[in-house]
Amino acid sequence: GENVEQHPSTLSVQEGDSAVIKCTYSDSASNYFPWYKQELGKRPQLIIDIRSNVGEKKDQRIAVTLNKTAKHFSLHITETQPEDSAVYFCAASFQGAQKLVFGQGTRLTINP
Amino acid sequence: NAGVTQTPKFQVLKTGQSMTLQCAQDMNHNSMYWYRQDPGMGLRLIYYSASEGTTDKGEVPNGYNVSRLNKREFSLRLESAAPSQTSVYFCASSVQAPGTGELFFGEGSRLTVL
Repeated sequence: GENVEQHPSTLSVQEGDSAVIKCTYSDSASNYFPWYKQELGKRPQLIIDIRSNVGEKKDQRIAVTLNKTAKHFSLHITETQPEDSAVYFCAASFQGAQKLVFGQGTRLTINP
Repeated sequence: NAGVTQTPKFQVLKTGQSMTLQCAQDMNHNSMYWYRQDPGMGLRLIYYSASEGTTDKGEVPNGYNVSRLNKREFSLRLESAAPSQTSVYFCASSVQAPGTGELFFGEGSRLTVL
């Protein structure tokens, strides 16, 4: 079935350190993988996305890597700052059903 | 531009009552969606509309109905609310076809069913 597993569910890192969140997906035909950030009480917002024809994408301190063979993708945040504290969601497209399925979310806390 | 606007922001219902969540977008997007968010469950798709005049079921459609009133508006109706429908509901829209591009979310509607 259509499934996206996200780990860890909670992550606490020291300010300035790196954070990595991992997701696996079930459908080898998935071709679009976005990451959303949701601050407390706010709406989810896209921070970065990657398509299946690319292995890695960077945008300043955030990067996403994709391993199509293993069907997993990861979000990397470097030089973490307090404003990076939020819940992060990965998602994967499921072609036949024309929809996006989200992972369960990771609550990231940056400790000063 | 307001983006995606949904109402109401908060609602308390009794079991068996009905209500409609309203959503409107002013970005001329073709696709619109309704998601529910529950702790530890991520965002789950209830229904979506790839274009005006079409609607399709998502992952968790039972107990809900939708109407794509026009290109701007997409409403979600609970005919007989149940406690299991207590959740935060997000409307979203996208310019691209479903599953292919960025979703723009509304601020969310917190629904409690007693």
